[in-house]
Amino acid sequence: DGGITQSPKYLFRKEGQNVTLSCEQNLNHDAMYWYRQDPGQGLRLIYYSQIVNDFQKGDIAEGYSVSREKKESFPLTVTSAQKNPTAFYLCASSPRTSGSYEQYFGPGTRLTVT
Amino acid sequence: GENVEQHPSTLSVQEGDSAVIKCTYSDSASNYFPWYKQELGKGPQLIIDIRSNVGEKKDQRIAVTLNKTAKHFSLHITETQPEDSAVYFCAASNSNYQLIWGAGTKLIIKP
Repeated sequence: DGGITQSPKYLFRKEGQNVTLSCEQNLNHDAMYWYRQDPGQGLRLIYYSQIVNDFQKGDIAEGYSVSREKKESFPLTVTSAQKNPTAFYLCASSPRTSGSYEQYFGPGTRLTVT
Repeated sequence: GENVEQHPSTLSVQEGDSAVIKCTYSDSASNYFPWYKQELGKGPQLIIDIRSNVGEKKDQRIAVTLNKTAKHFSLHITETQPEDSAVYFCAASNSNYQLIWGAGTKLIIKP
């Protein structure tokens, strides 16, 4: 059963703690993305990776870190330096073959930091 | 910089009527324009897309039109049903294989 999985669905943390959100895909896609979505808002790009062992900052990378050691996995760490970490986090992947821009999303992780 | 504007932010239509959502993009190099539907608490799902060499594409009750000269594209939903209620996002590609996203339209179908 192909797709993108994100875990957990809900995550609660205390302020000052780092937390890592999981994203796994078995679609054999080269590119992976992390977005943040605040209530009633659109999607803002945090980080993206077009190939294993390489990633680039998006529009709101401050306070976040990522790794891409395997094609299937693109975990996102929300560090204590992120001022407003409470949000809905979405992971996506894309084939990135010639002319293929479509992105496929996971179900999301809702992070609450108190 | 690259920008996609989406209107309206909220659209309320009677069940059975049509709904139209419009987007304008700024990057002349954009050549791929997808539309996504996001239900509450879920990830966005691709519902239809169009490439720059096509002016219109239809899939059952949904259609997308593209005017490259004016740099705008629209989503049309006919015979709306309660299950069409959701937030819809448009996007446009850039040269880095990224999508530039609109702010979203909340579509409400009134019974």
